[in-house]
Amino acid sequence: AQSVTQPDIHITVSEGASLELRCNYSYGATPYLFWYVQSPGQGLQLLLKYFSGDTLVQGIKGFEAEFKRSQSSFNLRKPSVHWSDAAEYFCAALYNNNDMRFGAGTRLTVKP
Amino acid sequence: GAVVSQHPSWVICKSGTSVKIECRSLDFQATTMFWYRQFPKQSLMLMATSNEGSKATYEQGVEKDKFLINHASLTLSTLTVTSAHPEDSSFYICSALPLAGNTVEQYFGPGTRLTVT
Repeated sequence: AQSVTQPDIHITVSEGASLELRCNYSYGATPYLFWYVQSPGQGLQLLLKYFSGDTLVQGIKGFEAEFKRSQSSFNLRKPSVHWSDAAEYFCAALYNNNDMRFGAGTRLTVKP
Repeated sequence: GAVVSQHPSWVICKSGTSVKIECRSLDFQATTMFWYRQFPKQSLMLMATSNEGSKATYEQGVEKDKFLINHASLTLSTLTVTSAHPEDSSFYICSALPLAGNTVEQYFGPGTRLTVT
């Protein structure tokens, strides 16, 4: 079955430091790829998405992600983290246009 | 644009009762809506795919008689949790796939927190 893996359950970074959240999707036809952020008790907010074209995609809130086909990865990055970025981050892959798979999520804690 | 709402945002019910959750696409039409379930500190799991005017397709392990889905219009899908039990307590999130624009991007609702006592 298709799947998405986020290897890091919890990451702590200092405010102002750079951030990279890892995401790998199961090998096969390249799915559409997404990153979402979820604050406690809230729904999902789309940060960015990759459908095709330029493998480095820019999103909201200063986030970017790079699609690497050779590694089946779609890692999320931010050069300088803000305290308000503390949240749960989900990577997702859409297979066959209607089968959306989510990773387990990575909880980001930001130290002052 | 592309706003999806859910009602209620949270609900508490007694064990054995039924609860209906609504998912609406406010500014677009959606032939397909999806229902997800999220347990605390876990990821979203797809429960079912709802198509307007036809029966929903349930994922393996999801009881269709317990989680009744109705997609009666292009802007509304409902999920009814029948004879709810404490183990049904969860965060339920819907998403909608716009009919227009040949897009594959789903738009997510804010979620409904269900607590069964």
